[in-house]
Amino acid sequence: KAGVTQTPRYLIKTRGQQVTLSCSPISGHRSVSWYQQTPGQGLQFLFEYFSETQRNKGNFPGRFSGRQFSNSRSEMNVSTLELGDSALYLCASSGGTGVEAFFGQGTRLTVV
Amino acid sequence: EDQVTQSPEALRLQEGESSSLNCSYTVSGLRGLFWYRQDPGKGPEFLFTLYSAGEEKEKERLKATLTKKESFLHITAPKPEDSATYLCAVQSYAGGTSYGKLTFGQGTILTVHP
Repeated sequence: KAGVTQTPRYLIKTRGQQVTLSCSPISGHRSVSWYQQTPGQGLQFLFEYFSETQRNKGNFPGRFSGRQFSNSRSEMNVSTLELGDSALYLCASSGGTGVEAFFGQGTRLTVV
Repeated sequence: EDQVTQSPEALRLQEGESSSLNCSYTVSGLRGLFWYRQDPGKGPEFLFTLYSAGEEKEKERLKATLTKKESFLHITAPKPEDSATYLCAVQSYAGGTSYGKLTFGQGTILTVHP
């Protein structure tokens, strides 16, 4: 059974640009969540999508947005990138028969 | 607001030296407490889910326990390959039907020397 797939694995962007990250959840999972991980703040919840609807949102500015498609794949977008947005962005999927969240390998975003 | 505090921040052990990691939590109605292992540059790997006080789960050299205020991850006779960051997270019923929101602790960096 394939796990959670995130693309790309690495990105380098310039301040002010925007970026789109992609996540394919485990087959059959309908919930996709996004997290930002930094050395100083640890893992912080960004938002969760379920059946193409945002069901929960963390305390991040509106520059961070996401969406989910009918096949449960999800994308997150960060506009007007700032240096502080440099982080490991993690996607997790959950559903099926349990409440556990399973993570992908992450996308390492570096803003220069 | 849900809160999770892990201790110690870092732990160095000799191979075979058993120890425990602590996770203290404050949550408005615990749906589940989760333990993950994270290797450098990788995503967290799921280890255990605990749902209620008194529950215990084991996997190889790891054993997780849960009380009403904290959880412990016991590591018995660790090996160098157990070196990783161990993360604790909670999910509360305040999220309603949302299964996706986890509140994480800062993690414990475990190093096991041969």
